Amino acid sequence: DAGVIQSPRHEVTEMGQEVTLRCKPISGHDYLFWYRQTMMRGLELLIYFNNNVPIDDSGMPEDRFSAKMPNASFSTLKIQPSEPRDSAVYFCASSTTLAYEQYFGPGTRLTVT
Amino acid sequence: GQQVMQIPQYQHVQEGEDFTTYCNSSTTLSNIQWYKQRPGGHPVFLIQLVKSGEVKKQKRLTFQFGEAKKNSSLHITATQTTDVGTYFCAGPNSGYALNFGKGTSLLVTP
Repeated sequence: DAGVIQSPRHEVTEMGQEVTLRCKPISGHDYLFWYRQTMMRGLELLIYFNNNVPIDDSGMPEDRFSAKMPNASFSTLKIQPSEPRDSAVYFCASSTTLAYEQYFGPGTRLTVT
Repeated sequence: GQQVMQIPQYQHVQEGEDFTTYCNSSTTLSNIQWYKQRPGGHPVFLIQLVKSGEVKKQKRLTFQFGEAKKNSSLHITATQTTDVGTYFCAGPNSGYALNFGKGTSLLVTP
């Protein structure tokens, strides 16, 4: 298996623009997680899905953030409109069970100017 | 809510010295996991501890889970430059998703 795949790897955009991050989890993994990592706040869980259904989105910072998982092999995290404070590395991870080993993708480094 | 705290935040050692990072949870954990993130990379799972007082070893790395299942440690013997990175502990919160600590960044000087 290729592991968790994320695209793009780097994204530079201007404030106010819409940003869409993509993730393909490992086949057979029922759980998908979106994290944001910054120096100040560390690794934060934004939202997670179980069998394509969002279970906990309490970590989503505000309404500008939305996430979808239309099928078992694809998820998106959208920021609209983007702001400079959204600059961070966004990781997608997947796992077979909720509280056990997670496999992280390579991340998307987002810079909002 | 449940929080996972790690100390120290940074550690700089000479190659060959030992290194230890500590993880403390505000609540009892069903399990604790350790991840390593190399500079510019992504977190990679190292190990999971489940039992009270459990000790596991991976070559020069020794992982411990406290008797009360609220704390854990990672000890590296005779560090090497390949050990450079940030080490995270993570434990399930009340909703069972993982809470990650802020991590300990290890720098090893040859």
